[in-house]
Amino acid sequence: KAGVTQTPRYLIKTRGQQVTLSCSPISGHRSVSWYQQTPGQGLQFLFEYFSETQRNKGNFPGRFSGRQFSNSRSEMNVSTLELGDSALYLCASSLDFGGNEQFFGPGTRLTVL
Amino acid sequence: QKEVEQNSGPLSVPEGAIASLNCTYSDRVSQSFFWYRQYSGKSPELIMSIYSNGDKEDGRFTAQLNKASQYVSLLIRDSQPSDSATYLCAVDTDKLIFGTGTRLQVFP
Repeated sequence: KAGVTQTPRYLIKTRGQQVTLSCSPISGHRSVSWYQQTPGQGLQFLFEYFSETQRNKGNFPGRFSGRQFSNSRSEMNVSTLELGDSALYLCASSLDFGGNEQFFGPGTRLTVL
Repeated sequence: QKEVEQNSGPLSVPEGAIASLNCTYSDRVSQSFFWYRQYSGKSPELIMSIYSNGDKEDGRFTAQLNKASQYVSLLIRDSQPSDSATYLCAVDTDKLIFGTGTRLQVFP
């Protein structure tokens, strides 16, 4: 069974731009979660989607948003990029929400100049 | 107080020894606990999940959970240089909260 895929793998943007990242979960998984990983803050939860609905959200500004499609694929968007948004963005999928094992994709490395 | 705490390390052990990694958490209602391994430049890889008090073994790995004391540990027996990585403890409290990880170094 194919794992979680994320595109693109690398992105370079400038301040003020916006970016969209994509995540395809493991086949049959219906929950997708997004995380930001930085050396200083570690892995931080952004949001979780299940059945096209956001069911949980972390402590990030409204510039960070996401959505999930009927095939469980998910996208996250960051608007008005700031230098501090440079990070590894990870997507994880699970069968269901609520304590299920989550499996990570390879991540998207975003650099904001 | 951080929700999930881990010693950042590095924890250095010789090849063949037992590596012991510890994690404490603050939310008493947490029910699901996970250990992930992350190699430098790679994404986290799930290695163990544990949901009830006691030990759970999988190959060279043993996860231990004590809900009364709010700690989770991971033992790696017969440590190999290929086990050198950062080990992340994660606790589900309606969302997955990660510790900052413990860096393990296994030297030949």
